[in-house]
Amino acid sequence: KAGVTQTPRYLIKTRGQQVTLSCSPISGHRSVSWYQQTPGQGLQFLFEYFSETQRNKGNFPGRFSGRQFSNSRSEMNVSTLELGDSALYLCASSLGGKKETQYFGPGTRLLVL
Amino acid sequence: GEDVEQSLFLSVREGDSSVINCTYTDSSSTYLYWYKQEPGAGLQLLTYIFSNMDMKQDQRLTVLLNKKDKHLSLRIADTQTGDSAIYFCAEVSETSYDKVIFGPGTSLSVIP
Repeated sequence: KAGVTQTPRYLIKTRGQQVTLSCSPISGHRSVSWYQQTPGQGLQFLFEYFSETQRNKGNFPGRFSGRQFSNSRSEMNVSTLELGDSALYLCASSLGGKKETQYFGPGTRLLVL
Repeated sequence: GEDVEQSLFLSVREGDSSVINCTYTDSSSTYLYWYKQEPGAGLQLLTYIFSNMDMKQDQRLTVLLNKKDKHLSLRIADTQTGDSAIYFCAEVSETSYDKVIFGPGTSLSVIP
């Protein structure tokens, strides 16, 4: 079974631009969660989607948004990029039940200049 | 609120055992996880333990849970240089679905 895939793997943007990251979950998984990882803040939960609906949300500003498609693939969008948005963005998928284990993708490394 | 803490660094000699510790605050935690992250890579699930268990062993890995003290540990027997990585402790609480709370990670360095 193929694992979680994320595209692109690396991205360089400038301040003020917007970016869209993509995540394809493991086949059969209906839940996709997004995390931001930075050296200073560690791993922080952004949001989780299940069956095309946002089910959980972390404490990030509205510039961070996401969506999920009917095939469970998910996209994350960050508008008006700031230098502090430079991070590794990780996506994780699971079956979506209350106690299902999450499996992580390799991440997208975003650098904002 | 929910919080997970870990020591940030650990250094051991090859062949020795490594013990990575973690404490958490959410008493409704149901699942506790250990993830490994190698440089430039995503997170790899190593093992997990249910909150109603005390111990779980999986080859070189032993997880111990003290629910009373909210303390979790990961022991790696016969540590190898390939075990050098960052190890994250994480919890999922009874009140959430897929919101996983991670610790800051422990950077394990294995000295040949």
